Amino acid sequence: AQSVTQLDSQVPVFEEAPVELRCNYSSSVSVYLFWYVQYPNQGLQLLLKYLSGSTLVKGINGFEAEFNKSQTSFHLRKPSVHISDTAEYFCAVSDPDPYGKLTFGQGTILTVHP
Amino acid sequence: DAGVIQSPRHEVTEMGQEVTLRCKPISGHNSLFWYRQTMMRGLELLIYFNNNVPIDDSGMPEDRFSAKMPNASFSTLKIQPSEPRDSAVYFCASSPRTTGANVLTFGAGSRLTVL
Repeated sequence: AQSVTQLDSQVPVFEEAPVELRCNYSSSVSVYLFWYVQYPNQGLQLLLKYLSGSTLVKGINGFEAEFNKSQTSFHLRKPSVHISDTAEYFCAVSDPDPYGKLTFGQGTILTVHP
Repeated sequence: DAGVIQSPRHEVTEMGQEVTLRCKPISGHNSLFWYRQTMMRGLELLIYFNNNVPIDDSGMPEDRFSAKMPNASFSTLKIQPSEPRDSAVYFCASSPRTTGANVLTFGAGSRLTVL
């Protein structure tokens, strides 16, 4: 079974500072990787996805992630965060099956302070 | 497109009562998923359908839980009887059946509180 580990449950950071949210996955097969964001009292919104090709993936709101197969990691980064980035972020993995079933990590709460 | 629509957004009920959560997926999406989110267990996949057929219900916690998809535009998740430990946010998501990865689009969730 696949599993996803998000290494930090909470990440506090000051506005305009860079941030990295860490994600490791365990799978013996090729996978698709995703980052979703959840704002308070809302559903999950897709930030970015890695399917194949370039290991550096750019998403919405200035976020990017790098797929590292040898380290089985898919860390999320942003060079300069805003107050509005305060949310919970979920890393997810999917086998390349036709249904798109996702296994999620436990989530990382990013809090951006002024 | 209105996205994935879930109802009710909030439900408060007493232990032993029946609860029905509803979901309308995005038109044209062939796969539908029910997830549950709790502080202790995070996001858990309960069941998913493809073309209205249940594919995997191994995540359904107990026989008290059941899900149906009578047509392509409607699904229900029912808990009968409900218990306090069922309190959680229940999300419905849908995705298109295409080649390559299918991206899930989530609804806003139904927050269930069982007293």
